Amino acid sequence: GESVGLHLPTLSVQEGDNSIINCAYSNSASDYFIWYKQESGKGPQFIIDIRSNMDKRQGQRVTVLLNKTVKHLSLQIAATQPGDSAVYFCAERWTEKLTFGTGTRLTIIP
Amino acid sequence: ETGVTQSPTHLIKTRGQQVTLRCSSQSGHNTVSWYQQALGQGPQFIFQYYREEENGRGNFPPRFSGLQFPNYSSELNVNALELDDSALYLCASSTDRGRVGANVLTFGAGSRLTVL
Repeated sequence: GESVGLHLPTLSVQEGDNSIINCAYSNSASDYFIWYKQESGKGPQFIIDIRSNMDKRQGQRVTVLLNKTVKHLSLQIAATQPGDSAVYFCAERWTEKLTFGTGTRLTIIP
Repeated sequence: ETGVTQSPTHLIKTRGQQVTLRCSSQSGHNTVSWYQQALGQGPQFIFQYYREEENGRGNFPPRFSGLQFPNYSSELNVNALELDDSALYLCASSTDRGRVGANVLTFGAGSRLTVL
């Protein structure tokens, strides 16, 4: 069946350093891969997405990399700030639904 | 432009009861999806509504049902509540597939349901 998993449940990063959050997916038919950020008491917030025919996409301070050969997705956050503290979910889209991973909690060390 | 709003924000029910959760979609969005998020887990797809009809369903029993109204708002109904139904219920709106940005779901803050 479909599943999206994350390699690390928690990640602590020094403020100002770069963060890398990884994700494995299983459905080769997924057409989009999306990263969401969820802060305490809020719903998931869209960060960036990447279409399945791409391998890299950059946004403001964030980059998503897609490796379809090994079904791996990563989110890179440059110059991590205290406001980046949250749980990050990767999700894959197939037909009408998104399948989310369990999430990685990113903690920023001052 | 308003985002996705959900009500109520918190509620407590007992086993066997029924609950209705409500969602107003973001302006310009015509598709609504519902997700269940258990504590410490990622959201799980319940179903999606488009043009007032169910347009896909996840692995949830029939006691989970929904509606979408002409103004694109939506309801999630859960009958015969069980303890395991305790979760954060998230509503997300989007544009229909084929449009630019259709993969981008805008989530509400959720309705936290506790079943005792």
